[in-house]
Amino acid sequence: EVQLVESGGGLIEPGGSLRLSCAASGLTVSGNYMAWVRQAPGKGLEWVATLYSGGPTYYAAAVGGRLTISRDTSMNTLYLQMNSLRVEDTAVYYCVRLIRGGDVWGQGTLVTVSS
Amino acid sequence: DIRMTQSPSTLSASVGDRVTITCRASQSISGWLAWFQQKPGKAPKLLIYQASSLESGVPSRFSGSASGTDFTLTISSLQPDDFATYYCQQYNSYSELTFGGGTKVEIK
Repeated sequence: EVQLVESGGGLIEPGGSLRLSCAASGLTVSGNYMAWVRQAPGKGLEWVATLYSGGPTYYAAAVGGRLTISRDTSMNTLYLQMNSLRVEDTAVYYCVRLIRGGDVWGQGTLVTVSS
Repeated sequence: DIRMTQSPSTLSASVGDRVTITCRASQSISGWLAWFQQKPGKAPKLLIYQASSLESGVPSRFSGSASGTDFTLTISSLQPDDFATYYCQQYNSYSELTFGGGTKVEIK
């Protein structure tokens, strides 16, 4: 079964750091285009970052320089390193495989940035 | 940046109704458009890709169409399981994805 399972979310103070993980099974993160998409409470979907199978990375303007997408091929895991967190980064973060727009999504992990 | 304008933001309908949701891209996306369904507390689910292709396992009452930069999702006969929020997404380039604002389909 193809599955993505996110972890690492939680409550963090503004300015803090957090690393989200997305463990993949039934697919390889290195062989696919992968992305993080977030959804603030009661709001719509917002693309955050993409990691191409060949290695290039791309970021939404709102997060560039603070969030970093990466992968560990041996662990078959996608990551999102989040630094200098802001209140407006509060959201559920989804890991997505980018086939046909986004055919496989994880269940999401909630990040709450608050003092 | 490619902007996706989705309408309406809310739609009230009854079981059995034909429902139409539209999405307009700010520039050509060459048909690289997907539609997702999302229920409260759940991840989005892919319904339609490449504007009009039905994802495997999705009921045939869902269909998509395109005319230039205008895209439409149609539910031919609304079922109780279809009350949810729907999003369009352009994926002309995976280096910059954009979603529409969403359409909440409510019970009339």
